Amino acid sequence: DQQVKQNSPSLSVQEGRISILNCDYTNSMFDYFLWYKKYPAEGPTFLISISSIKDKNEDGRFTVFLNKSAKHLSLHIVPSQPGDSAVYFCAASTGGGSEKLVFGKGMKLTVNP
Amino acid sequence: NAGVTQTPKFRILKIGQSMTLQCAQDMNHNYMYWYRQDPGMGLKLIYYSVGAGITDKGEVPNGYNVSRSTTEDFPLRLELAAPSQTSVYFCASSHPAGDSYEQYFGPGTRLTVT
Repeated sequence: DQQVKQNSPSLSVQEGRISILNCDYTNSMFDYFLWYKKYPAEGPTFLISISSIKDKNEDGRFTVFLNKSAKHLSLHIVPSQPGDSAVYFCAASTGGGSEKLVFGKGMKLTVNP
Repeated sequence: NAGVTQTPKFRILKIGQSMTLQCAQDMNHNYMYWYRQDPGMGLKLIYYSVGAGITDKGEVPNGYNVSRSTTEDFPLRLELAAPSQTSVYFCASSHPAGDSYEQYFGPGTRLTVT
């Protein structure tokens, strides 16, 4: 039973345009959400996060939106750059001290020059 | 700071062999984790530790063992390697602070069991 779902395996956008990556979750106990970026042959690197008490968090070109009622979050990248081409993972945590993360399958973003 | 380091980067094992994947962090993080990533899949938690001497199972612990004798090190042991353990293994660490849940990952170990 997949608790964190990234239903689209890939996305291709033009440089300068907006990239929107979507993530759905099923566990209503999740209260913290993160996005990680992964290049080939490297470990995931933290990108941005959002607590369930917020509906938006922004960091430079990256914005994460959370819709708790729909159990849906999205990552917006504006403007997209070729260096953003990577696999993006959505992850969620119920907190409680262990900080265990549940990951989605990932989405491959390709930004074309 | 080196962050989270993992050795080896690559390893090929024969079925039934044993090995230890090493993980170390120099950020003085209490929490450490082992994940595996199979092709086309997300990361799945194998084991985690909230401090030296304390370990607990994650989602997919079968076939693995861990120990945490120091804050810095968190080795993962495979006792009898099986083809199903062919995967990329990532170690991570974190330090709880407020509502911060970020985990910092190592570069991974690619393991093939044949």
